Amino acid sequence: AQTVTQSQPEMSVQEAETVTLSCTYDTSESDYYLFWYKQPPSRQMILVIRQEAYKQQNATENRFSVNFQKAAKSFSLKISDSQLGDAAMYFCAYRSRSGNTGKLIFGQGTTLQVKP
Amino acid sequence: EAQVTQNPRYLITVTGKKLTVTCSQNMNHEYMSWYRQDPGLGLRQIYYSMNVEVTDKGDVPEGYKVSRKEKRNFPLILESPSPNQTSLYFCASSPTRFTNEQFFGPGTRLTVL
Repeated sequence: AQTVTQSQPEMSVQEAETVTLSCTYDTSESDYYLFWYKQPPSRQMILVIRQEAYKQQNATENRFSVNFQKAAKSFSLKISDSQLGDAAMYFCAYRSRSGNTGKLIFGQGTTLQVKP
Repeated sequence: EAQVTQNPRYLITVTGKKLTVTCSQNMNHEYMSWYRQDPGLGLRQIYYSMNVEVTDKGDVPEGYKVSRKEKRNFPLILESPSPNQTSLYFCASSPTRFTNEQFFGPGTRLTVL
């Protein structure tokens, strides 16, 4: 069974600085998606960035980028020029492209604090 | 506007009193799913549905029921809620189970006393 692990329950960053959130996963599959979701205090789940495993190029969305290391099963999120609005809980998630259930498998979450 | 809606957003109830959390999507998605979120555990899948009249258990289905009579609706039913079902619940949908994104509803905060 696939698992996703976020080993940092809490992180903090100074406004305008860069922070990296870590995520590792375990799977025997070769074709899958990886995601980072943001959950602000409103509790809405917001997709930040996605990566398709067959693509070697790391995904980028404005200030958000990932470091996808398929062999190491690592998927970290880098937030550049951190803003106060980036403060939230961040979830790493995995979805198989061939499984039966279609479920997203989530990590435990990392709470990011942004200091002014 | 394309969206997933859930009702109610907040609910406080007592042990044993049957309740239903509704979920509706307006994107003609085949796949719908329910998750619960608990501190330190992330989100875990409760039930999912591939299409109308096709549902199956996820990782934590005990104490829950679902139905999919129409494509747009996927209600979550707690026939006899217990305090361990106090949680934050999310409904999600996607075009198919293979799509690279699931669209989430706003969440329902349930407290069972």
